[in-house]
Amino acid sequence: DQQVKQNSPSLSVQEGRISILNCDYTNSMFDYFLWYKKYPAEGPTFLISISSIKDKNEDGRFTVFLNKSAKHLSLHIVPSQPGDSAVYFCAASAQGSNYKLTFGKGTLLTVNP
Amino acid sequence: DTAVSQTPKYLVTQMGNDKSIKCEQNLGHDTMYWYKQDSKKFLKIMFSYNNKELIINETVPNRFSPKSPDKAHLNLHINSLELGDSAVYFCASSQGLNNYNEQFFGPGTRLTVL
Repeated sequence: DQQVKQNSPSLSVQEGRISILNCDYTNSMFDYFLWYKKYPAEGPTFLISISSIKDKNEDGRFTVFLNKSAKHLSLHIVPSQPGDSAVYFCAASAQGSNYKLTFGKGTLLTVNP
Repeated sequence: DTAVSQTPKYLVTQMGNDKSIKCEQNLGHDTMYWYKQDSKKFLKIMFSYNNKELIINETVPNRFSPKSPDKAHLNLHINSLELGDSAVYFCASSQGLNNYNEQFFGPGTRLTVL
C-alpha cells in the first residue's frame, strides 16, 4: 500500500526554467512533509519541509506547496540548475507513528544545460 | 568529516551466510535508523533506536537484528541471507524522537546476495 506516491519517475527541464515535482499521499494522519534529494552512490539529503498547518514554505530557489484537501504537495525549483539533477524523494510523517518517515519512490530530475 | 558513515559500502555474499553492516554517526544525535531501498526504489524504514532503545520495528524478519552498543552506533546483523535481501541499506540519524527533526543519511551499503 503506497501511502506516498510520486507518479512521475522522471522529469527533464532546461536550465533556468522551473522544475515542478509532484507528490500525492493517502494517509490523512500525515501532518509533516519533507523533500529529500539524492545523488548517485550517496544517501538522501534533506532539502525542505512543510507542516500541515502551512500551505507554502520557501527556501531560496526551493518552494514546497501543500494542498491538504487534495492530499497533494509539490516542490518547485526555480531557476533550475544542472547541479539540481538528482532523485527527489517526497516523505511524510504522522505524529502518532513515532515520527517515522514514509517515502515515495522518487522522481529523477534532469536539468539540461 | 563524514557525519553518518557505513561500512562496508558494498557487500557481495552467498545465500545462507550471516553478515553485518556497521553504522556510526558523529553528530551527537540520539536517534538512529535503518532503511532498506529495494529494487523498486522504495525507501522503507526497518528500525529506529532512541538512546539505544528500540522504538520502531517495521515487521522485519527476525533474521535481521539491530544492535546499538551506544548512541553513536547502530549495527545491522543479518542471518541466513536470502536473495530477497539484496538491496541498498541506509543508516540515518536525527536528534530527538518526538519532533520532526531532519534525518541525516549515510551513503548506503549495497548488499548483493548470490
